[in-house]
Amino acid sequence: DAGVIQSPRHEVTEMGQEVTLRCKPISGHDYLFWYRQTMMRGLELLIYFNNNVPIDDSGMPEDRFSAKMPNASFSTLKIQPSEPRDSAVYFCASSQRGGANVLTFGAGSRLTVL
Amino acid sequence: QKEVEQNSGPLSVPEGAIASLNCTYSDRGSQSFFWYRQYSGKSPELIMFIYSNGDKEDGRFTAQLNKASQYVSLLIRDSQPSDSATYLCAVKGDMRFGAGTRLTVKP
Repeated sequence: DAGVIQSPRHEVTEMGQEVTLRCKPISGHDYLFWYRQTMMRGLELLIYFNNNVPIDDSGMPEDRFSAKMPNASFSTLKIQPSEPRDSAVYFCASSQRGGANVLTFGAGSRLTVL
Repeated sequence: QKEVEQNSGPLSVPEGAIASLNCTYSDRGSQSFFWYRQYSGKSPELIMFIYSNGDKEDGRFTAQLNKASQYVSLLIRDSQPSDSATYLCAVKGDMRFGAGTRLTVKP
């Protein structure tokens, strides 16, 4: 298996633009997680899905952030409009069983908002 | 939410020494704990988990769980420069991580 695949790896955009981050989980994993990592706040859980259904989105910072999982092999995290404080590394992770905490992370998407 | 707290460090040890990383948790009912390692510029990877009181060894790594005192620790024996990374702990059932402890092993 190719692991969890994220794209783009790097994104530089200007404030106010829409950003879409993409994730392909490991085949057969039924949980998918989105995290954001910054030096100041560490690794923060934004949202997670089970069988394509959002379970906990309490970590989504505000309405500018949205996440979807239209099928078992694809998820998106969208920021609209983007702001400089959204600059971070965004990780997607998947697991076979939620609560087991055996997460496999993607390589991350580094977002810079100017 | 089940919360975990870590000393964010940084922690610096000489090569060959024992590095001790600690994590405390707030929910006394927590059952299992996980340690992830994250190299600079890379994504976290699972290195150990522990679910019962006492020690669990895996090579140079030992995880220790003390449920009475509500802490879990990770010991790295014979530390190597390649162990330099940030170590994150998490509790089963909650996908949130502690702040992480940055470890530097100096040659």
